[in-house]
Amino acid sequence: QLQLQESGPGLVKPSETLSLTCTVSGGSISSSSYYWGWIRQPPGKGLEWIGSIYYSGSTYYNPSLKSRVTISVDTSKNQFSLKLSSVTAADTAVYYCARLDPGIAAAGGVQHWGQGTLVTVSS
Amino acid sequence: DIQMTQSPSSVSASVGDRVTITCRASQGISSWLAWYQQKPGKAPKLLIYAASSLQSGVPSRFSGSGSGTDFTLTISSLQPEDFATYYCQQANSFPALTFGGGTKVEIK
Repeated sequence: QLQLQESGPGLVKPSETLSLTCTVSGGSISSSSYYWGWIRQPPGKGLEWIGSIYYSGSTYYNPSLKSRVTISVDTSKNQFSLKLSSVTAADTAVYYCARLDPGIAAAGGVQHWGQGTLVTVSS
Repeated sequence: DIQMTQSPSSVSASVGDRVTITCRASQGISSWLAWYQQKPGKAPKLLIYAASSLQSGVPSRFSGSGSGTDFTLTISSLQPEDFATYYCQQANSFPALTFGGGTKVEIK
C-alpha cells in the first residue's frame, strides 16, 4: 500500500524559506511510471498545483510560483522535497505531496495523496 | 496556461436529488480531466479520470462526461456522504496540473 508522508516545520517566518519533505513508502520513487508533485490549499480556498518532479530530476513548476520554488528528489531515501523562498502570509496553506499517474489507471489524475501538513507563515 | 472554471461555486441540494457540476477549460483538453471529492480536513479523493472513467471503489451514482472544453460531473441520487466540495483538474499539460475553483455541495 503506497503511502506518502509530509514532514517539516509548521511555522515559518515571513521572508524565510519553507522546506518540506515527502517520504514515500510502499513503492519506489524511482519508478519510471509516475511523477511526484506538491499541491497546496490555503485555508478555506481551492487547490493549487505547485510543481512536479520525475525520478530523473526533471522538474515542472507553476509559472506563478516558479521564481520561488525548488523541488528535488533523493532516490536513495525515497523522498522528494519542496523549498519555497521569500514566503509571505499568502503562502499559509495545507501542503500535500502526491503521486501523479499519467498511465491508464488515472490518466493524469492524482490517486495517492499525503495527509497534508499545515504551514503557517507568521512572525 | 490552461485555466479551469467550475460552476456553480456552491449548490444546495437534498438527499436523493440529481446534482450536476460543470467545468470549462480555457482551451481544448481532449478527455484529460479528473474529478475529486474533498471533505473537511481530508485530502481530495479521485472520483473520475479521463473525463468519464470511474475510479475503482467509487459508487456508480457518480458519472462524468464531456470532452474538449466542457465537462460535467453528475451525482444521480445524492447521498448524505456526498456533501463535500468537488474539484475538476486538467491533465492535458501533465505533469503540469490546473484545478478548478471548486463546488461546494451543501444540504438544503
